[in-house]
Amino acid sequence: DGGITQSPKYLFRKEGQNVTLSCEQNLNHDAMYWYRQDPGQGLRLIYYSQIVNDFQKGDIAEGYSVSREKKESFPLTVTSAQKNPTAFYLCASSIGVRTTETQYFGPGTRLLVL
Amino acid sequence: DQQVKQNSPSLSVQEGRISILNCDYTNSMFDYFLWYKKYPAEGPTFLISISSIKDKNEDGRFTVFLNKSAKHLSLHIVPSQPGDSAVYFCAAITRGSTLGRLYFGRGTQLTVWP
Repeated sequence: DGGITQSPKYLFRKEGQNVTLSCEQNLNHDAMYWYRQDPGQGLRLIYYSQIVNDFQKGDIAEGYSVSREKKESFPLTVTSAQKNPTAFYLCASSIGVRTTETQYFGPGTRLLVL
Repeated sequence: DQQVKQNSPSLSVQEGRISILNCDYTNSMFDYFLWYKKYPAEGPTFLISISSIKDKNEDGRFTVFLNKSAKHLSLHIVPSQPGDSAVYFCAAITRGSTLGRLYFGRGTQLTVWP
């Protein structure tokens, strides 16, 4: 049963705290992506990775960091520098950035600031 | 700078009728277009796509039309069903690009009423 899992479903962050959102895929996909969804804003790209140990900034990378140490995993850290972190975060993957454009999404993590 | 635009944030259609969702783009380098469907608190799911070498692609009740000269595409759903009620995102990509990223519109909330 292949797919993308994100955890936790809900996450609460205190002021000044870093939090890490998990994203795992067992689809053997090379490319992985992080998006943020805000009401009326659509999906905005935070970071993406085309291959292990490589990643690129998207449109709104400030205040976020990622790592790609394993093909299956692409965790996103929301740092204290992100001043407005409350949003719905979506992870996605695709076979590769050039071989296919279809991205498969996880169920999302809703981050709330206390 | 929104390269993919969905100018109608919402659309309401009666069950059995046609739903037409519109999308405009500004980047003439885009050569592949996708529609995603999203239910609340879930990740988007891929619906249908079209290459720039075509002007129409059909899959069951869903048809996507592309007008390259107008930089416009539309998604037709016939007949519309209550289960189609969701947010629909238009996305575009330049497949030859090394960046390999999708650009999303802000979405259109479709409501199909009985």
